[in-house]
Amino acid sequence: NAGVTQTPKFQVLKTGQSMTLQCAQDMNHEYMSWYRQDPGMGLRLIHYSVGAGITDQGEVPNGYNVSRSTTEDFPLRLLSAAPSQTSVYFCASSRSRVSPLHFGNGTRLTVT
Amino acid sequence: DAKTTQPPSMDCAEGRAANLPCNHSTISGNEYVYWYRQIHSQGPQYIIHGLKNNETNEMASLIITEDRKSSTLILPHATLRDTAVYYCIVRSIQGGSEKLVFGKGTKLTVNP
Repeated sequence: NAGVTQTPKFQVLKTGQSMTLQCAQDMNHEYMSWYRQDPGMGLRLIHYSVGAGITDQGEVPNGYNVSRSTTEDFPLRLLSAAPSQTSVYFCASSRSRVSPLHFGNGTRLTVT
Repeated sequence: DAKTTQPPSMDCAEGRAANLPCNHSTISGNEYVYWYRQIHSQGPQYIIHGLKNNETNEMASLIITEDRKSSTLILPHATLRDTAVYYCIVRSIQGGSEKLVFGKGTKLTVNP
């Protein structure tokens, strides 16, 4: 098992560009989520999904879109990147609502 | 959401037990307490979780008070590799949906 795989590992964008951060898991987990981590802020939930076709907003959803067309994939889309979205992004999955989260190794995004 | 409160930093001598406290005074009866740690810039790593009873695994022990308003993570023999940020979270179910909230955690430094 590869676990939770995030791509790319690093990305630099210009303000206004769009991109998609990929997240895939091979553990057949129902629950998936996206977090961003900024210095001194801990982890903040962006969006989450409790199953294919079901998504919901987290703590800081503005500027981000998600979809969950398959159990395995949960991409995060930035429609128009802003410097405030410079951060490290982590994807996580778990088998159920009370199962431990498995995290990917993160995507470091810089928006200039 | 049930929130957690942790000290921002702690120090521990190598080989001694590290006791990391967490307050979760608004936790409700069906919410679990989870502990994760994040070493440098890697993705967070699951350590342990519990509901009411104390729990132990190969990494750590979790002590939950009888009123469930606080808990302590115990690393019995801390090593230099345990230097990390430790997060205490509760799994909250709010209005039928679910949001996991990570705070800023405790920065544990294990000294030689």
